[in-house]
Amino acid sequence: TQLLEQSPQFLSIQEGENLTVYCNSSSVFSSLQWYRQEPGEGPVLLVTVVTGGEVKKLKRLTFQFGDARKDSSLHITAAQPGDTGLYLCAGAAGGSYIPTFGRGTSLIVHP
Amino acid sequence: ETGVTQSPTHLIKTRGQQVTLRCSSQSGHNTVSWYQQALGQGPQFIFQYYREEENGRGNFPPRFSGLQFPNYSSELNVNALELDDSALYLCASSPANTIGNTGELFFGEGSRLTVL
Repeated sequence: TQLLEQSPQFLSIQEGENLTVYCNSSSVFSSLQWYRQEPGEGPVLLVTVVTGGEVKKLKRLTFQFGDARKDSSLHITAAQPGDTGLYLCAGAAGGSYIPTFGRGTSLIVHP
Repeated sequence: ETGVTQSPTHLIKTRGQQVTLRCSSQSGHNTVSWYQQALGQGPQFIFQYYREEENGRGNFPPRFSGLQFPNYSSELNVNALELDDSALYLCASSPANTIGNTGELFFGEGSRLTVL
């Protein structure tokens, strides 16, 4: 059983479309991170959300942390081929400092 | 600022052999975590080292072992390799595990292990 469930698992869209990916759990997280991983590379940290209801923006990417700190979403506006990659959410629950990861959403943006 | 570096980047072993993977942490970071990422999966936590001691372990058998050195670099050793050990092994460093640490990880590019 995955502590963090990500959906959808795969997403294939055209350049210019908008999309939202989700990260859900039954556990409460003190903080949650989003990473992007390109093939053959390690994950790269995009953002950390800490406060319930928090919204953070990184250019065309908008991250939201759920009010109860159990879920998060990532919205990409006007996707570009450079956004292609595996989007991973991660968090540490139950007082642990050790993050666990979801399985990720694999995004392909076609030119 | 020097990022996380891992070596080797790729290697091929046969079943039953042993492997050692190496990681240099990012400057200023004293905590190193190792993750295994199978194809199409998210990273799975193996263990974490803080101040040269194991600070947490995931659901991996004892043939997965590690070390952290005084300069905070680290090694992952896997004995008696099995076919299912084929994966990308990721090392990540982070600041000290103190209250207020948000759990952010800074990853190397990984070591791709293939077991035949």
